[in-house]
Amino acid sequence: EAQVTQNPRYLITVTGKKLTVTCSQNMNHEYMSWYRQDPGLGLRQIYYSMNVEVTDKGDVPEGYKVSRKEKRNFPLILESPSPNQTSLYFCASSLSATGVAGELFFGEGSRLTVL
Amino acid sequence: AQSVTQPDIHITVSEGASLELRCNYSYGATPYLFWYVQSPGQGLQLLLKYFSGDTLVQGIKGFEAEFKRSQSSFNLRKPSVHWSDAAEYFCAVVPGSRQLIFGTGTRLQVFP
Repeated sequence: EAQVTQNPRYLITVTGKKLTVTCSQNMNHEYMSWYRQDPGLGLRQIYYSMNVEVTDKGDVPEGYKVSRKEKRNFPLILESPSPNQTSLYFCASSLSATGVAGELFFGEGSRLTVL
Repeated sequence: AQSVTQPDIHITVSEGASLELRCNYSYGATPYLFWYVQSPGQGLQLLLKYFSGDTLVQGIKGFEAEFKRSQSSFNLRKPSVHWSDAAEYFCAVVPGSRQLIFGTGTRLQVFP
């Protein structure tokens, strides 16, 4: 089954404790992206990647890191989480390598709480 | 700045009633336009998209949307809403920057 898989789905952590949210897709998609969803703000892009070893900042990259060492994986790293990073995070992928003119496929989301 | 506006935060309709969700964008040229739906506890799913051509596009689950260049709008419609349509709906655009910009969403509640 074609899917985007995120882990963990739920996480409660404390300020400053490094964490990684993994994202994996099995559709051989070139493009992958991370979003955060906050009430009243919709989805905002954190980072995106158009291919292996190619990543770029989205609208809200501060406090986050990403890597794209393999085509299928695109982990989101919070080196020193803070309470303002409490949010619902979505990973998404698309076949289109030139942008998102095609359909975005989303994972089910990872709800992160930073105390 | 490029932006997407969904003026209705929350809409409530009765089952069987018609539905229209509004979306306006701010961009000089015609962007690519999308509607996504997010069911509770789920990720987003594409309902329909517009790139060019016929301004009335059909999507999944009986939804359609009409692109109106003069109004910079891409409103989503459904003639008869089902209880399972209760969800949050996001309009999105891909302007020249080629990165998707989402609206803030409209939450749809359906009463029996």
